[in-house]
Amino acid sequence: GNSVTQMEGPVTLSEEAFLTINCTYTATGYPSLFWYVQYPGEGLQLLLKATKADDKGSNKGFEATYRKETTSFHLEKGSVQVSDSAVYFCALSDRGTGFQKLVFGTGTRLLVSP
Amino acid sequence: NAGVTQTPKFQVLKTGQSMTLQCAQDMNHNSMYWYRQDPGMGLRLIYYSASEGTTDKGEVPNGYNVSRLNKREFSLRLESAAPSQTSVYFCATKSPLDEQFFGPGTRLTVL
Repeated sequence: GNSVTQMEGPVTLSEEAFLTINCTYTATGYPSLFWYVQYPGEGLQLLLKATKADDKGSNKGFEATYRKETTSFHLEKGSVQVSDSAVYFCALSDRGTGFQKLVFGTGTRLLVSP
Repeated sequence: NAGVTQTPKFQVLKTGQSMTLQCAQDMNHNSMYWYRQDPGMGLRLIYYSASEGTTDKGEVPNGYNVSRLNKREFSLRLESAAPSQTSVYFCATKSPLDEQFFGPGTRLTVL
Protein backbone atom coordinates (compact mmCIF):
# COMPACT_ATOMS: atom_id res chain seq x y z
CA GLY A 1 0.00 0.00 0.00
CA ASN A 2 0.91 3.65 -0.08
CA SER A 3 3.22 4.94 2.62
CA VAL A 4 5.31 7.93 3.67
CA THR A 5 8.63 7.77 5.51
CA GLN A 6 10.10 10.79 7.29
CA MET A 7 13.39 11.27 9.05
CA GLU A 8 13.39 10.72 12.78
CA GLY A 9 13.43 13.76 14.98
CA PRO A 10 13.93 15.90 16.78
CA VAL A 11 15.90 18.11 14.46
CA THR A 12 17.70 20.73 16.55
CA LEU A 13 19.04 23.85 14.84
CA SER A 14 20.24 27.31 15.71
CA GLU A 15 18.42 30.32 14.34
CA GLU A 16 19.37 31.16 10.73
CA ALA A 17 20.61 27.61 10.01
CA PHE A 18 19.63 25.71 6.87
CA LEU A 19 16.86 23.14 7.29
CA THR A 20 16.26 19.89 5.45
CA ILE A 21 13.63 17.36 6.52
CA ASN A 22 13.67 14.24 4.40
CA CYS A 23 10.51 12.59 3.11
CA THR A 24 10.22 9.61 0.78
CA TYR A 25 7.09 7.88 -0.37
CA THR A 26 5.75 4.69 -1.88
CA ALA A 27 2.68 5.03 -4.05
CA THR A 28 0.96 3.66 -7.10
CA GLY A 29 0.10 6.17 -9.72
CA TYR A 30 0.81 9.87 -9.32
CA PRO A 31 -0.23 11.16 -5.93
CA SER A 32 -0.18 14.78 -4.83
CA LEU A 33 2.33 15.50 -2.06
CA PHE A 34 1.89 17.78 0.93
CA TRP A 35 3.73 19.21 3.90
CA TYR A 36 1.70 20.11 6.97
CA VAL A 37 2.91 21.93 10.09
CA GLN A 38 1.57 21.52 13.61
CA TYR A 39 2.38 24.11 16.27
CA PRO A 40 2.06 23.10 19.93
CA GLY A 41 -1.52 22.58 21.01
CA GLU A 42 -2.95 23.22 17.54
CA GLY A 43 -4.29 21.32 14.56
CA LEU A 44 -2.36 20.73 11.36
CA GLN A 45 -2.02 23.51 8.80
CA LEU A 46 -1.19 23.03 5.16
CA LEU A 47 2.28 24.43 4.52
CA LEU A 48 2.78 23.61 0.84
CA LYS A 49 1.91 21.08 -1.83
CA ALA A 50 2.94 19.77 -5.25
CA THR A 51 0.64 17.94 -7.59
CA LYS A 52 2.94 16.52 -10.27
CA ALA A 53 6.54 15.53 -10.89
CA ASP A 54 9.09 18.38 -10.83
CA ASP A 55 6.59 20.78 -9.28
CA LYS A 56 8.00 22.93 -6.50
CA GLY A 57 5.72 23.92 -3.66
CA SER A 58 6.69 26.96 -1.59
CA ASN A 59 5.31 29.01 1.28
CA LYS A 60 6.74 31.18 4.09
CA GLY A 61 10.32 30.51 2.91
CA PHE A 62 9.83 26.73 2.87
CA GLU A 63 10.22 24.76 -0.35
CA ALA A 64 9.85 21.16 -1.50
CA THR A 65 10.24 19.62 -4.97
CA TYR A 66 8.29 16.58 -6.16
CA ARG A 67 10.99 14.13 -7.32
CA LYS A 68 9.43 11.15 -9.05
CA GLU A 69 12.76 9.48 -9.88
CA THR A 70 13.79 9.35 -6.22
CA THR A 71 10.20 9.25 -4.82
CA SER A 72 11.07 12.11 -2.51
CA PHE A 73 9.60 15.42 -1.32
CA HIS A 74 12.20 16.90 1.01
CA LEU A 75 11.33 20.08 2.91
CA GLU A 76 13.94 22.88 2.93
CA LYS A 77 14.29 26.37 4.34
CA GLY A 78 17.32 28.58 3.94
CA SER A 79 17.23 30.30 7.33
CA VAL A 80 15.05 29.01 10.14
CA GLN A 81 13.58 31.13 12.92
CA VAL A 82 12.61 30.25 16.48
CA SER A 83 8.98 30.58 15.40
CA ASP A 84 9.46 27.65 12.98
CA SER A 85 9.69 25.25 15.93
CA ALA A 86 6.88 22.77 15.31
CA VAL A 87 6.15 19.26 14.07
CA TYR A 88 6.21 18.79 10.29
CA PHE A 89 4.24 16.07 8.53
CA CYS A 90 4.75 14.84 5.00
CA ALA A 91 1.66 13.34 3.35
CA LEU A 92 0.45 11.97 0.04
CA SER A 93 -2.99 11.72 -1.43
CA ASP A 94 -4.22 8.19 -1.86
CA ARG A 95 -6.64 7.71 -4.71
CA GLY A 96 -6.56 3.93 -4.50
CA THR A 97 -10.25 3.78 -3.68
CA GLY A 98 -11.20 6.57 -6.06
CA PHE A 99 -11.61 8.91 -3.14
CA GLN A 100 -8.83 11.08 -1.88
CA LYS A 101 -7.47 10.26 1.53
CA LEU A 102 -4.20 11.46 2.98
CA VAL A 103 -1.48 9.07 4.13
CA PHE A 104 0.77 10.75 6.70
CA GLY A 105 4.32 10.21 7.82
CA THR A 106 4.96 10.02 11.55
CA GLY A 107 6.10 13.65 11.78
CA THR A 108 9.45 15.32 12.45
CA ARG A 109 9.83 17.71 15.37
CA LEU A 110 11.94 20.80 14.68
CA LEU A 111 13.45 22.75 17.57
CA VAL A 112 15.11 26.08 16.77
CA SER A 113 17.13 27.82 19.45
CA PRO A 114 18.06 31.53 19.49
CA ASN B 1 -15.36 32.51 9.16
CA ALA B 2 -14.35 29.94 11.81
CA GLY B 3 -13.20 27.18 9.42
CA VAL B 4 -13.37 23.85 11.27
CA THR B 5 -14.47 23.85 14.91
CA GLN B 6 -14.43 20.98 17.40
CA THR B 7 -16.01 20.50 20.81
CA PRO B 8 -15.03 19.78 23.46
CA LYS B 9 -11.36 20.77 23.58
CA PHE B 10 -10.58 18.42 26.47
CA GLN B 11 -12.39 15.44 27.94
CA VAL B 12 -11.68 12.85 30.60
CA LEU B 13 -13.75 9.66 30.63
CA LYS B 14 -13.84 6.53 32.68
CA THR B 15 -13.61 3.16 30.97
CA GLY B 16 -17.02 2.18 29.62
CA GLN B 17 -18.45 5.68 29.41
CA SER B 18 -19.74 7.05 26.13
CA MET B 19 -19.34 10.41 24.50
CA THR B 20 -19.73 12.24 21.20
CA LEU B 21 -17.13 14.52 19.66
CA GLN B 22 -18.63 17.28 17.59
CA CYS B 23 -17.22 18.84 14.44
CA ALA B 24 -18.63 21.64 12.33
CA GLN B 25 -17.34 23.49 9.26
CA ASP B 26 -18.37 26.67 7.50
CA MET B 27 -16.21 26.10 4.41
CA ASN B 28 -18.99 24.45 2.37
CA HIS B 29 -16.79 21.40 1.70
CA ASN B 30 -18.37 18.08 0.83
CA SER B 31 -15.75 15.79 2.38
CA MET B 32 -15.05 15.45 6.09
CA TYR B 33 -12.69 13.23 8.09
CA TRP B 34 -11.96 12.04 11.62
CA TYR B 35 -8.36 11.24 12.58
CA ARG B 36 -6.62 10.24 15.76
CA GLN B 37 -3.08 11.28 16.61
CA ASP B 38 -0.89 9.20 18.89
CA PRO B 39 2.77 9.83 19.75
CA GLY B 40 5.07 8.37 17.12
CA MET B 41 2.16 7.22 14.95
CA GLY B 42 1.35 10.26 12.87
CA LEU B 43 -2.34 10.64 12.04
CA ARG B 44 -4.56 7.66 11.41
CA LEU B 45 -7.92 7.89 9.67
CA ILE B 46 -10.89 6.63 11.67
CA TYR B 47 -13.85 7.45 9.39
CA TYR B 48 -14.57 9.75 6.52
CA SER B 49 -17.57 11.12 4.70
CA ALA B 50 -17.35 11.92 1.00
CA SER B 51 -20.64 13.80 1.05
CA GLU B 52 -23.74 14.38 3.13
CA GLY B 53 -25.43 11.07 3.82
CA THR B 54 -22.40 8.85 3.24
CA THR B 55 -19.75 7.54 5.63
CA ASP B 56 -16.96 5.00 5.25
CA LYS B 57 -14.43 3.29 7.46
CA GLY B 58 -10.84 4.38 7.52
CA GLU B 59 -7.77 2.68 8.88
CA VAL B 60 -8.82 2.31 12.56
CA PRO B 61 -12.66 2.32 12.85
CA ASN B 62 -13.13 -0.24 15.63
CA GLY B 63 -14.77 1.20 18.72
CA TYR B 64 -16.13 4.27 16.91
CA ASN B 65 -19.26 5.34 15.06
CA VAL B 66 -19.94 8.47 13.05
CA SER B 67 -22.88 10.53 11.87
CA ARG B 68 -22.89 13.01 9.02
CA LEU B 69 -25.78 15.06 10.29
CA ASN B 70 -25.77 17.53 7.40
CA LYS B 71 -23.19 19.13 5.17
CA ARG B 72 -21.75 21.18 8.03
CA GLU B 73 -21.55 18.62 10.84
CA PHE B 74 -19.75 15.30 11.31
CA SER B 75 -19.76 13.71 14.75
CA LEU B 76 -17.69 10.87 16.21
CA ARG B 77 -19.13 8.64 18.94
CA LEU B 78 -17.37 6.38 21.39
CA GLU B 79 -19.99 3.96 22.72
CA SER B 80 -17.85 2.35 25.41
CA ALA B 81 -14.56 4.13 25.90
CA ALA B 82 -11.35 2.16 26.48
CA PRO B 83 -7.91 3.37 27.64
CA SER B 84 -6.58 2.55 24.15
CA GLN B 85 -8.77 5.37 22.84
CA THR B 86 -6.79 7.97 24.78
CA SER B 87 -5.60 10.23 22.00
CA VAL B 88 -5.96 13.57 20.29
CA TYR B 89 -8.81 13.59 17.77
CA PHE B 90 -8.86 15.85 14.74
CA CYS B 91 -11.66 16.62 12.35
CA ALA B 92 -10.82 17.82 8.86
CA THR B 93 -12.47 18.87 5.62
CA LYS B 94 -11.24 18.65 2.03
CA SER B 95 -11.41 21.43 -0.53
CA PRO B 96 -12.04 20.89 -4.25
CA LEU B 97 -8.25 21.35 -4.65
CA ASP B 98 -7.68 18.30 -2.44
CA GLU B 99 -6.31 20.38 0.46
CA GLN B 100 -7.36 19.28 3.93
CA PHE B 101 -8.20 21.77 6.67
CA PHE B 102 -8.01 20.66 10.28
CA GLY B 103 -9.80 21.67 13.45
CA PRO B 104 -7.95 22.44 16.70
CA GLY B 105 -8.42 18.95 18.12
CA THR B 106 -10.04 17.25 21.12
CA ARG B 107 -7.71 15.83 23.75
CA LEU B 108 -9.35 12.73 25.23
CA THR B 109 -8.13 10.75 28.21
CA VAL B 110 -9.79 7.47 29.17
CA LEU B 111 -8.98 6.26 32.67
